[in-house]
Amino acid sequence: KNEVEQSPQNLTAQEGEFITINCSYSVGISALHWLQQHPGGGIVSLFMLSSGKKKHGRLIATINIQEKHSSLHITASHPRDSAVYICAVLPVSGTYKYIFGTGTRLKVLA
Amino acid sequence: GAVVSQHPSRVICKSGTSVKIECRSLDFQATTMFWYRQFPKQSLMLMATSNEGSKATYEQGVEKDKFLINHASLTLSTLTVTSAHPEDSSFYICSATGPFNQPQHFGDGTRLSIL
Repeated sequence: KNEVEQSPQNLTAQEGEFITINCSYSVGISALHWLQQHPGGGIVSLFMLSSGKKKHGRLIATINIQEKHSSLHITASHPRDSAVYICAVLPVSGTYKYIFGTGTRLKVLA
Repeated sequence: GAVVSQHPSRVICKSGTSVKIECRSLDFQATTMFWYRQFPKQSLMLMATSNEGSKATYEQGVEKDKFLINHASLTLSTLTVTSAHPEDSSFYICSATGPFNQPQHFGDGTRLSIL
C-alpha cells in the first residue's frame, strides 16, 4: 500500500461541474503540497498546507491532520483545468524529500 | 512566485552522446535541488538530492556515474546523462527549495529521446 493515496485516479467532468480530488496519507507530515502537471509536463505549485483551508481563485484545498486527509476542490471547472493533480507530502523526518501520490488525471469537457 | 528555469525542454540525440540539463532558480537561493525522472503516466521518481557546494545524494538504484549532478552555486544545478542509451529516454524534471522547509518549485522538465 502506498504511503500517499489519491482518489479518483481518473476523472472526467463537464465544464462547470464542482470537482473534488482526495488525498490520504499514512505517515506523519509537516506539510502537504498540491501540484498541477500540465500535459506538456511542467508542474505548477497550487497550495502548500499544514492545517485548515486555503483558497485561490476557483481552487480550494483543505487538510485534516487528525484524519490524515486532504481534499482539492475546483469550482466551476473549465477545460483549461484538465491536467494531472498530484498530492505530495513532506514527512516529519525533515529531509525535504516529498512522498508523491500517484496523481489524479482530470479531463474537463466543454 | 518563485521561478525555476530548466533547459533544454527537449533533446533528441544519438546513442552514446552525453547530455547536460540545467536547472536554475531565478529569484531565490536554492539551497537544495532535486532531480526526478518520470515515465509515462507514472509518478515522479526521485533520482538525487543536491545541496549547494556538496556532493549529491543518490537514491538507491540510480547510477551516480551515469547521472552526474553538479550544484556549484545557489542558483544552478546540472544533470549530465553520460553516454546516453535508448533506455535513458524519459522526462527529467528538477525542483528547487530554499531553507526553512519551503515548498519545492519545479522546472518545466526536459524530454530526452535517445535514438
